[in-house]
Formats: sequence, C-alpha cells, structure tokens
Amino acid sequence: ETGVTQSPTHLIKTRGQQVTLRCSSQSGHNTVSWYQQALGQGPQFIFQYYREEENGRGNFPPRFSGLQFPNYSSELNVNALELDDSALYLCASSLDLGLAGVEETQYFGPGTRLLVL
Amino acid sequence: AQTVTQSQPEMSVQEAETVTLSCTYDTSESDYYLFWYKQPPSRQMILVIRQEAYKQQNATENRFSVNFQKAAKSFSLKISDSQLGDAAMYFCAYRSAGGETSGSRLTFGEGTQLTVNP
Repeated sequence: ETGVTQSPTHLIKTRGQQVTLRCSSQSGHNTVSWYQQALGQGPQFIFQYYREEENGRGNFPPRFSGLQFPNYSSELNVNALELDDSALYLCASSLDLGLAGVEETQYFGPGTRLLVL
Repeated sequence: AQTVTQSQPEMSVQEAETVTLSCTYDTSESDYYLFWYKQPPSRQMILVIRQEAYKQQNATENRFSVNFQKAAKSFSLKISDSQLGDAAMYFCAYRSAGGETSGSRLTFGEGTQLTVNP
C-alpha cells in the first residue's frame, strides 16, 4: 500500500510569484484535503477535492485554487504569493464511500515547506 | 463553527512514566469524530488514535488511550510507558460526521509539544 506523497519537499519563491504543489493520494483513496500550517500553529483547512470537484473550502482567498485528477492526485495552486503564505502545506487523503458513508480518517503526506521572500 | 483548544503548549515526561495531554472542543453537533495526531520533527502528521462520538467506550491503541467525556466536551490523550520516540507535537482534531456541505474537514487545536526525558 502506497502512502500519501507530496512534491516538492521544500521551495523558495518571491512575493507575487505563483506556485504549484502536488499530492498523490494513498492507494485506494479518492478524496484529497489540503491544509496550511504556519510555524508553531495547528493546520488550517484550505479545501477538499472529491471526484475532481471542490467539496468544501476554508477561509482562504480565491488565489488559492486546486485540481484533482482522474487518478485522484491533486494540485494546490497559489497565485500572487504573499509573505504570509510561508508555511508547511499538508495534503491528506481519505476514502469517501458515497452513499455508504465516509471513512473518517485522513492520512497525511510529509508536507511541502514553502518560503516566500 | 467548531473550535478545538489545547491548553498545554508544552509538556514533559520521564521515560517509562505516564503523561496526559488535554483537549477540549466546542460544537453544537451530536455526531462527530475526534482524533489525536502526532507530528515529529520530520513534519509528517501521524494518526495516533481516533474516537467516534457515538461510542461511549474510550478508544485504546497499545500504550495510547483516551478519556472521552462527551458532556464536558473533553478528549484527553494518555500515553503510558512513555518512550523517547513519543517526543513530538501532538494535535487534537475534530471532524463533523455530516460533511455534506463542508467536506470532511479537520479542525485542529494549536498543539502540545511533548518532551520525553531519559
């Protein structure tokens, strides 16, 4: 069973630039959630993708956007980067069983550390 | 909106001793899930234990157990026989059981940094 993977592990950008972060979900999972974790804080929910559509969004501006692909992998895109976007970005996958319910546990990847200068 | 509070920013324990980490939450829902995640310096968030709110029995996973008090909205984690490898940041998290409009988002507390002394 393959766990959640994320790329890159870390990167440095300058203010105003755009960035794309990638996530491959755990084998058998169909739902991907993204979280932002600022230094010394708990993760904050950005959004979730299920069946290639956004399925819930936290309090983040529209310059945070995402995609989910048919193989359930996902991308997080951030436009017009700001200094406050510097954080650890975590991806988590889970299994939504549709009418049969939702498997409640989310499994996390190792994260991408983004530094905006 | 749900909130999760961890009132202990830091805790320490001697190796082989027992430590309890506190977590309280606020919700108007009756059905939900609670989790404890561990985040070591490697940054990967690792599931420690989970609890379904409709179950009265406290969850246990080897050396880890919880004290779930639904009426008090309290969800503490007890680590028995602490080991050096238990040193990490521990996060308490809440997830609604509904999920249709908000997705199955997790709401996290601010974390408790656990140090294990040899």
